[in-house]
Amino acid sequence: GENVEQHPSTLSVQEGDSAVIKCTYSDSASNYFPWYKQELGKGPQLIIDIRSNVGEKKDQRIAVTLNKTAKHFSLHITETQPEDSAVYFCATWGAAGNKLTFGGGTRVLVKP
Amino acid sequence: KAGVTQTPRYLIKTRGQQVTLSCSPISGHRSVSWYQQTPGQGLQFLFEYFSETQRNKGNFPGRFSGRQFSNSRSEMNVSTLELGDSALYLCASSLKASGSYEQYFGPGTRLTVT
Repeated sequence: GENVEQHPSTLSVQEGDSAVIKCTYSDSASNYFPWYKQELGKGPQLIIDIRSNVGEKKDQRIAVTLNKTAKHFSLHITETQPEDSAVYFCATWGAAGNKLTFGGGTRVLVKP
Repeated sequence: KAGVTQTPRYLIKTRGQQVTLSCSPISGHRSVSWYQQTPGQGLQFLFEYFSETQRNKGNFPGRFSGRQFSNSRSEMNVSTLELGDSALYLCASSLKASGSYEQYFGPGTRLTVT
């Protein structure tokens, strides 16, 4: 089945700096790649997603890039703020099976 | 529009008991998926329901089961609870129209088995 690896597992950045999280996946038929943000005591919140026919998507301070050849996609957060501190998960949706496969998560800490 | 709601939010059970968790999807969403989240295994897919039918199932034992009602609300049941079943159980709903993959999660039910 699909395997999704996410790096780094923890990331500490200074407020205002950029943060980058990278995920690699194994199923070349995966066609949808969402990113979720999970704050303490809450469920994962969909923050941005990208389809396999798109290379990059941006929404204000966050962007996602996809390299289908290399089978990896990344989340970029610019001008980080303390409220960006959370755990971020990448996920893939494969061609087989109606389910998301998640990466292990990245705990992001933005220091004021 | 109201989000995904899950009840109860917290639950403490004893080994050997059974438990039922409930999920109400976003209005108009017809697909409900369940995930288990633990520190060790991360987020793992349990099963997905669409129009009252289970369409996919993850690698969990038969003690884990679910169902979906005609109003799209879903329940999951865990029988003969084990300590390892302690986890956050998340429900996600999706519109499931053609080409729609977006899943929206509820706040989860925190289950503790003692």
